[in-house]
Amino acid sequence: DAGVIQSPRHEVTEMGQEVTLRCKPISGHNSLFWYRQTMMRGLELLIYFNNNVPIDDSGMPEDRFSAKMPNASFSTLKIQPSEPRDSAVYFCASSLGLQGNQPQHFGDGTRLSIL
Amino acid sequence: AQSVTQPDIHITVSEGASLELRCNYSYGATPYLFWYVQSPGQGLQLLLKYFSGDTLVQGIKGFEAEFKRSQSSFNLRKPSVHWSDAAEYFCAVGPSYGGSQGNLIFGKGTKLSVKP
Repeated sequence: DAGVIQSPRHEVTEMGQEVTLRCKPISGHNSLFWYRQTMMRGLELLIYFNNNVPIDDSGMPEDRFSAKMPNASFSTLKIQPSEPRDSAVYFCASSLGLQGNQPQHFGDGTRLSIL
Repeated sequence: AQSVTQPDIHITVSEGASLELRCNYSYGATPYLFWYVQSPGQGLQLLLKYFSGDTLVQGIKGFEAEFKRSQSSFNLRKPSVHWSDAAEYFCAVGPSYGGSQGNLIFGKGTKLSVKP
């Protein structure tokens, strides 16, 4: 079975550039989560969707960050303009629902480096 | 405030030795509990979960965990560690009945190194 697919796996870009991270959730999963992982802060939830609708974006650090889910099989996380402090590993996860007993399944992440 | 504590940042064990990774939580009610493993360059993989019932739960890769309500703990164990178990392990706590995965709280992780 295909898991959560993220692209690109690695992204290196210069400060000020727009960055778009992509995620394809597991087919049939209707909840999707975006996380950021850094050494200092650990794993942080940025935003999550249910049935393609954003439920809580309180974890999005700044207005430079935006996320969309145009359909059940695709989501993007965009940073514009990017800054060096955005360097981190970004994970997408999906689950069958938001209920507490529906574990999240993670992609392999996008390692983002902003120079 | 709700929180998850993994007291050990880094643990080193010899291959074949037993392992116990600690997880303590602070939560208003009995939560749902999870252990995830993250190998280098990969995402988090679910090892096991506890929702209710038997407090000793079995997971993949020979891992088990025991929920102890009186100690607010959910420690992960393995009787004999293999070199391939070297990874980072995360405990996570979420609300039970009526709660949301959006409120899942992850610990800071414990990095496991395995000596040959």
